[in-house]
Amino acid sequence: GAGVSQSPSNKVTEKGKDVELRCDPISGHTALYWYRQSLGQGLEFLIYFQGNSAPDKSGLPSDRFSAERTGGSVSTLTIQRTQQEDSAVYLCASSPGGQGVTIYFGEGSWLTVV
Amino acid sequence: QQQVKQSPQSLIVQKGGISIINCAYENTAFDYFPWYQQFPGKGPALLIAIRPDVSEKKEGRFTISFNKSAKQFSLHIMDSQPGDSATYFCAASKWDSTLTFGKGTMLLVSP
Repeated sequence: GAGVSQSPSNKVTEKGKDVELRCDPISGHTALYWYRQSLGQGLEFLIYFQGNSAPDKSGLPSDRFSAERTGGSVSTLTIQRTQQEDSAVYLCASSPGGQGVTIYFGEGSWLTVV
Repeated sequence: QQQVKQSPQSLIVQKGGISIINCAYENTAFDYFPWYQQFPGKGPALLIAIRPDVSEKKEGRFTISFNKSAKQFSLHIMDSQPGDSATYFCAASKWDSTLTFGKGTMLLVSP
């Protein structure tokens, strides 16, 4: 596709349920990022994949959060046993990799935990 | 520890005026400073970026001013237009690492 594609665009889930958020990066981009955007909290880094290197998971807020990237392309962010504080917009971004390059964001997945 | 501090949180500017958003950083190893613009319901998009070897970069109505000694950089929007109303994020990173974002500034340009 022409841009970073994320699904679902909106998700309402009950507290305690697991959710999966999908990201399809721009074709050919080797780097993929997940950020979380909460009201008034800016963009919080979660995890970064670059090629075949081990992912940088330093931003994941708890062990309920995990992400994988299959075949160097599509990525899935999984949140287990969701809590109300997990409600936020989850943004995926990709870039060609390398140094100081532009990262391109998707439109995000809006997660509401009730 | 908040590595990039952004102010103000919100800003209202009249059409034709100058919008100024400021950011300060702590990590002296940062050497890439982009600004992202986000419209409601959309993901952030790169607006303009600067490296610390220059003190100013201008692209159209948008200018970044950079003060390395003060560890501060700012975005100036000249002749602000209602279409500029958006949330603006400053960010910083080391050249080969992930971006750290400020908390954002909601800009409203009144007609």
